[in-house]
Amino acid sequence: DAGVIQSPRHEVTEMGQEVTLRCKPISGHNSLFWYRQTMMRGLELLIYFNNNVPIDDSGMPEDRFSAKMPNASFSTLKIQPSEPRDSAVYFCASTSGGANTGELFFGEGSRLTVL
Amino acid sequence: KQEVTQIPAALSVPEGENLVLNCSFTDSAIYNLQWFRQDPGKGLTSLLLIQSSQREQTSGRLNASLDKSSGRSTLYIAASQPGDSATYLCAAQGGSEKLVFGKGTKLTVNP
Repeated sequence: DAGVIQSPRHEVTEMGQEVTLRCKPISGHNSLFWYRQTMMRGLELLIYFNNNVPIDDSGMPEDRFSAKMPNASFSTLKIQPSEPRDSAVYFCASTSGGANTGELFFGEGSRLTVL
Repeated sequence: KQEVTQIPAALSVPEGENLVLNCSFTDSAIYNLQWFRQDPGKGLTSLLLIQSSQREQTSGRLNASLDKSSGRSTLYIAASQPGDSATYLCAAQGGSEKLVFGKGTKLTVNP
């Protein structure tokens, strides 16, 4: 398996633009997580899905952030409109066997810079 | 609310030294404790996962221990090598099903 695949790897955009980050989890994994990593705050969980259903989105910072998982092999994280403080590395991760039992596998991340 | 702390934030050691990385967590009601490695510009790679019923896990030169009662975990690296240089993060998974991460310890192993 190729692992968790994220795109784009790097995104530079201007304030106010819409940003869409994409994730393909490992085949067979039924839980998917979106994390944000910054120097100041470390890794923060934004949202996670189990069997394509959002379970906990309490980490989503504002209504500007939204996430979808239309099927078991694809998820998106959208920021609209983007702001400079959204600049961070966004990671997608997946695991099997539910959110509280399994080893977590991370993608390589999407580095977002909002000017 | 679970909080995970890793001290020190950075550590530099000579090659060949045995070392211990520390992780503490505030809520002992955890399902598991995981250690990850992160190389610059890369994602996280899972190293060891300790279930709440276990005391330790070993993989090669790595050994992770878990003491729930004291809210502590340690990652022991034997005979360190320059290739071990990376940031090591621990994460505790509790009843909320969220994995709460520490901010990591940046390890540098000097040849």
